Amino acid sequence: KQEVTQIPAALSVPEGENLVLNCSFTDSAIYNLQWFRQDPGKGLTSLLLIQSSQREQTSGRLNASLDKSSGRSTLYIAASQPGDSATYLCAVLSNQAGTALIFGKGTTLSVSS
Amino acid sequence: DAGVTQSPTHLIKTRGQQVTLRCSPKSGHDTVSWYQQALGQGPQFIFQYYEEEERQRGNFPDRFSGHQFPNYSSELNVNALLLGDSALYLCASSHGATDTQYFGPGTRLTVL
Repeated sequence: KQEVTQIPAALSVPEGENLVLNCSFTDSAIYNLQWFRQDPGKGLTSLLLIQSSQREQTSGRLNASLDKSSGRSTLYIAASQPGDSATYLCAVLSNQAGTALIFGKGTTLSVSS
Repeated sequence: DAGVTQSPTHLIKTRGQQVTLRCSPKSGHDTVSWYQQALGQGPQFIFQYYEEEERQRGNFPDRFSGHQFPNYSSELNVNALLLGDSALYLCASSHGATDTQYFGPGTRLTVL
């Protein structure tokens, strides 16, 4: 059974810091991995999607990497801003789970000015 | 181009009642998935609809049922509501099962 874990559960940083969020999954047989952002009480905004054949994806100040063999992904946020404060969720589309996205519990990021 | 829309935004029900939540997919998308997100947890997959049929179902009881219409919009029905059904219900649409899923703003259901 595919399981997704995100560490840390919460993170507080001062504005301007570079930071890394971690995601691990137990079954390496995945189609893709997505990183989402969720503001309190709101829906999910897709940030980056990495196909199983890719190693990384970049969008602006965000860079996501994927190491399928070790079951790990990282989301790197450069020069953090208070507007980056949100919960970041990692989800995998796993061969084992068919068409269901399997989510971690998320990392809640707080960036102080 | 409108994204995924859901209605209503908030809903308050009492135990034992029934509820229907609605979702309109992003233009060009033919697949709709529903997720339940309890407070402090990641979303849990309920089921997915494609071509008006339930393609896959997660570990949810039969009290949770759904429907997809010819225009690809979808409904989630929950019968005999329990306190534990209180959650944010998210709808996601995609073009095909393995394409990027785009999420709506969610419906916050509170069961008293």
